Amino acid sequence: SQTIHQWPATLVQPVGSPLSLECTVEGTSNPNLYWYRQAAGRGLQLLFYSVGIGQISSEVPQNLSASRPQDRQFILSSKKLLLSDSGFYLCAWSVISNYGYTFGSGTRLTVV
Amino acid sequence: DQQVKQNSPSLSVQEGRISILNCDYTNSMFDYFLWYKKYPAEGPTFLISISSIKDKNEDGRFTVFLNKSAKHLSLHIVPSQPGDSAVYFCAPYNFNKFYFGSGTKLNVKP
Repeated sequence: SQTIHQWPATLVQPVGSPLSLECTVEGTSNPNLYWYRQAAGRGLQLLFYSVGIGQISSEVPQNLSASRPQDRQFILSSKKLLLSDSGFYLCAWSVISNYGYTFGSGTRLTVV
Repeated sequence: DQQVKQNSPSLSVQEGRISILNCDYTNSMFDYFLWYKKYPAEGPTFLISISSIKDKNEDGRFTVFLNKSAKHLSLHIVPSQPGDSAVYFCAPYNFNKFYFGSGTKLNVKP
């Protein structure tokens, strides 16, 4: 069966520190992968999506970057975190797009 | 995303009554629409979907209605149960991506 793993579940980081969130998918090949963020009181905002290894599309200009070093691995990074980077980060995957996404359990990031 | 609006940030309903959650969109290219349900500190889970060739889809207590001319869809939950208390997102689809509304927080009171 297909599963998606996202870690860590919670993270508290100081302003200016680096960030690395990892997401891996099991049980499927060549998935589309996505990073979303939900800021406090806001909806789900698409940050990045990838349709294959090394292929990254950015939806909004920001302090973050994404990489897909392997087919089923998606990494969200930042060199220097800002306070505004705080939020709930969700990784998602889809194979047949019209069936929608499957989301990971999320990472609660607090930048202090 | 500004292409999708859920204008009611919250909704409170008595158990057993109907809950109606609304969603408006601007992009006429959207041809598939999903509703997701999200509990705090968890990822959203798929609830129900509808294709643009239909105007209604029903699954148990959940029914989604689509009015393409008005670019409006709604989710009906009847009867509402306390376990339905969550944030609900509508998510239209276009070109390999889903666009999420800002969500409506539903509170079903016992």
